[in-house]
Amino acid sequence: DTGVSQDPRHKITKRGQNVTFRCDPISEHNRLYWYRQTLGQGPEFLTYFQNEAQLEKSRLLSDRFSAERPKGSFSTLEIQRTEQGDSAMYLCASSPSRGPAFFGQGTRLTVV
Amino acid sequence: GQQVMQIPQYQHVQEGEDFTTYCNSSTTLSNIQWYKQRPGGHPVFLIQLVKSGEVKKQKRLTFQFGEAKKNSSLHITATQTTDVGTYFCNSGNTGKLIFGQGTTLQVKP
Repeated sequence: DTGVSQDPRHKITKRGQNVTFRCDPISEHNRLYWYRQTLGQGPEFLTYFQNEAQLEKSRLLSDRFSAERPKGSFSTLEIQRTEQGDSAMYLCASSPSRGPAFFGQGTRLTVV
Repeated sequence: GQQVMQIPQYQHVQEGEDFTTYCNSSTTLSNIQWYKQRPGGHPVFLIQLVKSGEVKKQKRLTFQFGEAKKNSSLHITATQTTDVGTYFCNSGNTGKLIFGQGTTLQVKP
């Protein structure tokens, strides 16, 4: 499968725990995006990378959130000290520069 | 920063009726992208328009890019229940691909 893959697909965690999600983009895509989506809303931009460089991070994102793309290929999104409000679908997408984005199936996070 | 607005936010139609969603910007866009998200699914890229006045068709879907490259529309002819979902427009002007709330289409059989 040459599409965007995300792991895990589902994650249930207790409040206060740390979680990490992984995204493997389409191999020739140099841009990688992270979004968060809750029911009835559009995808909310979190951050994006051009190769290994993190070009922008949403100001709405608290410092509990961090993302990396160390070798310009896969990326990880970590949430520290999770809160119930972090429960959402976390979507990853990749694209060529200024091209359309192709999304993974997402990681659904539930914080209990 | 640049913002692309989409209307309407919701549309309910009877199966077989036509449907149109509009995307408007106050600034000139380098391109426009359209996505569809089915309930419970992830956004799926449909098409990208680049040229002024461009019209592209995908079966019952017709996409237009305005002459001034400030607006775009997606028209669905004779809707079917499989068209249900949220349609998003997006511009590649800025690198970060901001999504709005889109237009959610409900089709009554």
